Amino acid sequence: DTGVSQDPRHKITKRGQNVTFRCDPISEHNRLYWYRQTLGQGPEFLTYFQNEAQLEKSRLLSDRFSAERPKGSFSTLEIQRTEQGDSAMYLCASSLRGGGVRTDTQYFGPGTRLTVL
Amino acid sequence: KQEVTQIPAALSVPEGENLVLNCSFTDSAIYNLQWFRQDPGKGLTSLLLIQSSQREQTSGRLNASLDKSSGRSTLYIAASQPGDSATYLCALTGNQFYFGTGTSLTVIP
Repeated sequence: DTGVSQDPRHKITKRGQNVTFRCDPISEHNRLYWYRQTLGQGPEFLTYFQNEAQLEKSRLLSDRFSAERPKGSFSTLEIQRTEQGDSAMYLCASSLRGGGVRTDTQYFGPGTRLTVL
Repeated sequence: KQEVTQIPAALSVPEGENLVLNCSFTDSAIYNLQWFRQDPGKGLTSLLLIQSSQREQTSGRLNASLDKSSGRSTLYIAASQPGDSATYLCALTGNQFYFGTGTSLTVIP
């Protein structure tokens, strides 16, 4: 399977704990995005990378959230000192941009569902 | 800040009907607009992408249009089928990325 993968698919944690999610994009894609989605809402943009550079961060991304893409391949999203309001589906997407290709079609992974007790 | 609205929030139609889903946005400075479908408990599947310089895109029974001057996009689904039942989301790429809240479509056999 050459699609976007995310791990874990589900995470239950207690308030105050730290959690880390991983996203593996489609291999030739240079852009990687993180979104958060709560029930009944559309995804909310958190941040995105082009290769290893983090180009944009939403104001939703508080100091407790950090994302990395150290080698321009997989990415991790860490949430420190989790709060109940962090409970959501965390979605990752990837796209190819540049080199004459400007379609930027985003392909999504299945998401990681976080529940903070 | 870009505001993206999708109306209606929910739609139920009998099988075989043609239907239109609407997406409105407030800032016309966009690079592209993408339509997705989302099935319950699953990730998003890309349907169509329209570049800002384009007016429409077609794929099978789907046709998406873009009118930046009026801040509107429509997704037309021809001859709807029960398998089309899902939530349909529009997403805009500008300086950041903005999704609408979606239209939940049910096609009744």
